[in-house]
Amino acid sequence: SAVISQKPSRDICQRGTSLTIQCQVDSQVTMMFWYRQQPGQSLTLIATANQGSEATYESGFVIDKFPISRPNLTFSTLTVSNMSPEDSSIYLCSVEDRDYGYTFGSGTRLTVV
Amino acid sequence: DAKTTQPTSMDCAEGRAANLPCNHSTISGNEYVYWYRQIHSQGPQYIIHGLKNNETNEMASLIITEDRKSSTLILPHATLRDTAVYYCIGLVSGTYKYIFGTGTRLKVLA
Repeated sequence: SAVISQKPSRDICQRGTSLTIQCQVDSQVTMMFWYRQQPGQSLTLIATANQGSEATYESGFVIDKFPISRPNLTFSTLTVSNMSPEDSSIYLCSVEDRDYGYTFGSGTRLTVV
Repeated sequence: DAKTTQPTSMDCAEGRAANLPCNHSTISGNEYVYWYRQIHSQGPQYIIHGLKNNETNEMASLIITEDRKSSTLILPHATLRDTAVYYCIGLVSGTYKYIFGTGTRLKVLA
């Protein structure tokens, strides 16, 4: 199955700042997905990132708050902008893996203080 | 995508079979049932998926009822490392959008 490297694994950030999370895949993939998991909750899809086009955001998520880049077929970034404590969550990237459903990265645990 | 319903939590004795049920009464004919698990502080891990036939792999077995309205994930010999939250998800073939429910928190007891 695909191997995903996600960085950073965790961070503590000041409110009002921004954090960029990186997701690197060991194979070329068409679509990459970004999820949020708030404390004690299930996963929620933030957006889908296709190479060469703007990301598609789910209801409740906007580009100004969560800008996404997808410069090539193996890499994507998610930025959490102008952070507040409510943004404290685990952020995960995911890719389609033909034989194994969808593979997820290990996540970025973000704490905003 | 089908809305799935799972029990909030279950306990299982180590070495025994863990049977995790999932109701997906609104599932459509081309919608696969996927199972994932999430061990604390890690990303979800794929376990198994199926359409209408029962499936088995090295991790688990998936039993899907004939009417496809429910399924059961079976971990044949649960170990302490199987303690996790297990998610049952419906996914239409050719689409990508997972809707994660609340899942079942399985606790394997020594």
